[in-house]
Amino acid sequence: ILNVEQSPQSLHVQEGDSTNFTCSFPSSNFYALHWYRWETAKSPEALFVMTLNGDEKKKGRISATLNTKEGYSYLYIKGSQPEDSATYLCALYYGGATNKLIFGTGTLLAVQP
Amino acid sequence: GAVVSQHPSRVICKSGTSVKIECRSLDFQATTMFWYRQFPKKSLMLMATSNEGSKATYEQGVEKDKFLINHASLTLSTLTVTSAHPEDSSFYICSASSGPGDTQYFGPGTRLTVL
Repeated sequence: ILNVEQSPQSLHVQEGDSTNFTCSFPSSNFYALHWYRWETAKSPEALFVMTLNGDEKKKGRISATLNTKEGYSYLYIKGSQPEDSATYLCALYYGGATNKLIFGTGTLLAVQP
Repeated sequence: GAVVSQHPSRVICKSGTSVKIECRSLDFQATTMFWYRQFPKKSLMLMATSNEGSKATYEQGVEKDKFLINHASLTLSTLTVTSAHPEDSSFYICSASSGPGDTQYFGPGTRLTVL
């Protein structure tokens, strides 16, 4: 059974703080890792799809790194803003005949103004 | 990114009735659509994967006669919760993808409450 874990479960930071959180997964089953941002009352929004060990992707103040050998990915937010408040989900692409994703439980980020 | 709509956003029904939820990809052709269920404080749990024109593939433990999935076109998939009971109350969310490993684009979800 694939298990994707995220930590911390929740995080409270002040506006302007930089923050990061972790997604861990079994390295032996890696095909691709997806990051999503899910704001309350909205659809989850795709942030990154990462496939290669050592990948680093960036979108504005948000960036992510990937280590497939040790089975983790970090998501960084530089200079957090209140609008960054959301749940950040990672999902492991399982591969095979379907493009099935196994989701972590998410990290809930609250940015205080 | 691509837009996926889901309707209704919220539904309250009596026990024993059936509820249909629609998932539409508005600006791309979705080869595959996925249906997830989220329990409180839990991750998104995949219920089934549906490919256009073929039968859905259900995850272990999901009753296919209880949760009927139809994917009649490349832009529409429906989930019907048949003879709903209070334990079916949950948040249901769909996603659509155009290929294996590609980004999944999510709808906004449907909150189902069965009285």
